[in-house]
Amino acid sequence: DAGVTQSPTHLIKTRGQQVTLRCSPISGHKSVSWYQQVLGQGPQFIFQYYEKEERGRGNFPDRFSARQFPNYSSELNVNALLLGDSALYLCASSLAGGYGYTFGSGTRLTVV
Amino acid sequence: DQQVKQNSPSLSVQEGRISILNCDYTNSMFDYFLWYKKYPAEGPTFLISISSIKDKNEDGRFTVFLNKSAKHLSLHIVPSQPGDSAVYFCAASAVMEYGNKLVFGAGTILRVKS
Repeated sequence: DAGVTQSPTHLIKTRGQQVTLRCSPISGHKSVSWYQQVLGQGPQFIFQYYEKEERGRGNFPDRFSARQFPNYSSELNVNALLLGDSALYLCASSLAGGYGYTFGSGTRLTVV
Repeated sequence: DQQVKQNSPSLSVQEGRISILNCDYTNSMFDYFLWYKKYPAEGPTFLISISSIKDKNEDGRFTVFLNKSAKHLSLHIVPSQPGDSAVYFCAASAVMEYGNKLVFGAGTILRVKS
């Protein structure tokens, strides 16, 4: 069975550019959450989506946005990239937004 | 504000001995706690969890203890194996208005020496 898949694996962008990260949840999972992990810190919550609706948003600026599609896959968009946005972006899926999260391997974003 | 803290950045243990990883939290509204293990270039993998109504949960070599009055939990690994070498994250589940989120500690790097 496929786990949570994220694409791309690695990405290098220039300051001021925009980036889109993609996530496919485990089959049957209807909830997707996004986390940012900066080097040396634990993952920080960005968004949770369930049944295509936003269920929660972390303390991130409006440059960060996300959406969930009818097939439950999700995209995270970051506009006007800053050097501080360099991080590992993790997607996690669960059946119904409960405790059983499964994480993908992440997208490593480097902003130069 | 760091609501979940792992005060030991790293821990080194001899193979076969016990590894004890600690975690403290400040928010008494947390109702569920989880431990994740992370290898380089991989996402966090769920290890074990505990509900706030329990004080102990065991799964094979892994046991998690919860002390609610002290707002402290610990993960015991017995016996430790070289393959256990990884970063361990403590996380607490926080209820939002319409969903929930995980609040993570900064992680502890465990090295098991053979």
